[in-house]
Amino acid sequence: GAGVSQTPSNKVTEKGKYVELRCDPISGHTALYWYRQSLGQGPEFLIYFQGTGAADDSGLPNDRFFAVRPEGSVSTLKIQRTERGDSAVYLCASSLSPGVQETQYFGPGTRLLVL
Amino acid sequence: RKEVEQDPGPFNVPEGATVAFNCTYSNSASQSFFWYRQDCRKEPKLLMSVYSSGNEDGRFTAQLNRASQYISLLIRDSKLSDSATYLCVVIRMDSSYKLIFGSGTRLLVRP
Repeated sequence: GAGVSQTPSNKVTEKGKYVELRCDPISGHTALYWYRQSLGQGPEFLIYFQGTGAADDSGLPNDRFFAVRPEGSVSTLKIQRTERGDSAVYLCASSLSPGVQETQYFGPGTRLLVL
Repeated sequence: RKEVEQDPGPFNVPEGATVAFNCTYSNSASQSFFWYRQDCRKEPKLLMSVYSSGNEDGRFTAQLNRASQYISLLIRDSKLSDSATYLCVVIRMDSSYKLIFGSGTRLLVRP
């Protein structure tokens, strides 16, 4: 079946611009996570949604980052006034429900480059 | 200091070799443990969960030592297709099921 999909796969933007990254989770998955992975590092947690609500946004680095999931399915990560340090791979993951034994399935990621 | 520490490698081994990776975690609230595999420019994929009793999946064996806060992964009879980065992952009981990753250990299996 269809896995997690993310669009765009690559995004190049200029410093100061606004970007939106989209995640389509596996159908029926209620839990959705965003992570960010810099070169040579493991992914780092940004935000977690259970249904439509952000249950934990403690990983968002600052108020330039915001994410929504208005209908409990697709999620959009929004970055305002991008900075060069925002360049990374942004990964989305979903699981059937929240829980320590629920496997999180990752999408292929969006590679963001801020010039 | 990172919450989950791994030797970055790379480990460069011949086909057929046995190789072991170690990982330590610093937060005693960690309750679930995993190994993920990540191929170059691809997303991480779950390799196996790690249980206190130790568990095996084919050529892969994972061990957990809660007292030492230490996790290991053993790969026997390495294949060329095992070349990848192996990420040690924990979930804390006081968190929102978010995965906490180490930086990964890179494995290169040569013919």
